[in-house]
Amino acid sequence: TQLLEQSPQFLSIQEGENLTVYCNSSSVFSSLQWYRQEPGEGPVLLVTVVTGGEVKKLKRLTFQFGDARKDSSLHITAAQPGDTGLYLCAGAQGAQKLVFGQGTRLTINP
Amino acid sequence: DTAVSQTPKYLVTQMGNDKSIKCEQNLGHDTMYWYKQDSKKFLKIMFSYNNKELIINETVPNRFSPKSPDKAHLNLHINSLELGDSAVYFCASSHLHLAGSSYNEQFFGPGTRLTVL
Repeated sequence: TQLLEQSPQFLSIQEGENLTVYCNSSSVFSSLQWYRQEPGEGPVLLVTVVTGGEVKKLKRLTFQFGDARKDSSLHITAAQPGDTGLYLCAGAQGAQKLVFGQGTRLTINP
Repeated sequence: DTAVSQTPKYLVTQMGNDKSIKCEQNLGHDTMYWYKQDSKKFLKIMFSYNNKELIINETVPNRFSPKSPDKAHLNLHINSLELGDSAVYFCASSHLHLAGSSYNEQFFGPGTRLTVL
């Protein structure tokens, strides 16, 4: 079973600061997805990265897939309290199965 | 309109009981999944069905039996519930892309919090 390690597991910062969350594995994935989960709800897909080195931006969020397709990062610029939540990375092996990281619980303090 | 719905939202039951969780999706997807999220928020796949056929069956006790009456529904029946079954169970759906494609974007339901006493 492929493992995805996310770091940090917990992050609490002040509004306006920047942050980066990392997702690392020793396995190669055909694609990697980032999800955000709110309390009491299911994960919601933010982005999918497919190509090694790919960078995608979603407003203040920047996602990058590593050149070797084994790792990814999520960078948030000028974090806001609305960014608070559980961020999950998930690696796809083929089209059928996603392997999830253990998540990063992000808290943005006003 | 809810894309992926689960019932019930909360389920509290005694050890040894049998219970079912229902899932329905109206997205027209052909593949549905059951995940278990533990207290540490680790999300792990349990089963996956494509057009009513089982395609993924992780190492899950055989007390757990998924049933897919049609491709829009995937129910999870659990026999002889144990304390360790307490978790949040998520249903999800997606299109199953054919070999050569790397996408597997999944849409999750709101979850069912199961508490076994």
